[in-house]
Parts: sequence; structure tokens; C-alpha cells
Amino acid sequence: QQQVKQSPQSLIVQKGGISIINCAYENTAFDYFPWYQQFPGKGPALLIAIRPDVSEKKEGRFTISFNKSAKQFSLHIMDSQPGDSATYFCAASMANDMRFGAGTRLTVKP
Amino acid sequence: DTEVTQTPKHLVMGMTNKKSLKCEQHMGHRAMYWYKQKAKKPPELMFVYSYEKLSINESVPSRFSPECPNSSLLNLHLHALQPEDSALYLCASSPRDGGEKLFFGSGTQLSVL
Repeated sequence: QQQVKQSPQSLIVQKGGISIINCAYENTAFDYFPWYQQFPGKGPALLIAIRPDVSEKKEGRFTISFNKSAKQFSLHIMDSQPGDSATYFCAASMANDMRFGAGTRLTVKP
Repeated sequence: DTEVTQTPKHLVMGMTNKKSLKCEQHMGHRAMYWYKQKAKKPPELMFVYSYEKLSINESVPSRFSPECPNSSLLNLHLHALQPEDSALYLCASSPRDGGEKLFFGSGTQLSVL
């Protein structure tokens, strides 16, 4: 059973554009929602994270928007760059249990 | 030192072999994890150690045997694996019990012939 649903599966954006990736979860016990970035041959790296008591968090070009009532959250990448091309995973966590979405392969064209 | 180090980076083994994957962190983290990742798929949780004790086992087959010798080291012992076990095996750690802010290693790419 997939506990975190992520879309789209793949995304192509022009350099300088906005990349948007969406996630939805079912279990209201989740209390921590991170986004991970993974390059080929590497492990995932934490990008940005949010807790459900906050509706938005911004770090540089990366913003998480969180809608607790809809059980949805999204990642916005502003001014997307070719170096942002990677696979992005949303996740939801409670205690020691972190569950990942299926991933979005982002390609930023120069 | 903010790294999680995994060895070996690549491993090829036969179905009758016994091998071990190793993971090390020196960040003082108290929780350590094994994840399995198939190509183009998300990481799947296998085991969690919290304060050197196994706290989560996600119904992983017994041919995978985890071990946490101390707070800095995590091993995954492999025996009688199947070809479908071929995957990237990721180790991660987090600062405290709670699963937040996972720091991943680069993984061991395992091929079972």
C-alpha cells in the first residue's frame, strides 16, 4: 500500500522556469515531511522539510507548500537550473518510519 | 565529518555466497537504517536500529541479517540471495530517535548472479 502518492512521474522544464511536484498522504500520524534530491549513483540528500503546523517554508529557490486539511504538500523550484536535473522524492515520517513517494524525474533544459 | 560511508560501492555475488555490507558514521547519530532501492523506484525501508537495538524490521527475508556492533557501525549480512535481490542498498543515519533528517550514504550496488 503506497502511503505517499507523488506526481508527476517526470517533468521537463526550461531553464529559469518553475518546477512543481505534488504529494499526498493518507496517515494523519505523519508529522514530518521532507523532500530529497537524488542524483544518479548517489544516495538521496535532504533538500528541505516542513512540519504540519506550518503552511509554507522557503529556502533559497526551494519552497514547500503544505495543506494539512487536504493532506497534500508540494515542492516549488523557482528559477530552475540544469543542475537541478535529478530525481526528487517527497516523504512522510512518524517516529523512525519514513515512507517515500514514487519519485519525480526532473529535467531542466538549458 | 558529516558523511555516511558505505563499503563496498559495488558487489557481485553468487546465490550461494555469503557477503557483508558495511556502513559507518561519526556524527554521533543514534538511529541507523538500511534501505533497498530498485532502479527508478523510491527507497524501501528494511531495518531501523535505534540506540543500537533493532526497532523496525519490515518483514525482510531472513537471508538479510542486520547487525549494529556499536553506535557508529551498521552491517548487513547477506546469504543465499536471489537475483531479484539485486538493487542499491542504502544506509542512513539520523541525529536522534525519530527518523528525521536522514543522512544517506552513496549506497552499495549489489548484483546477484
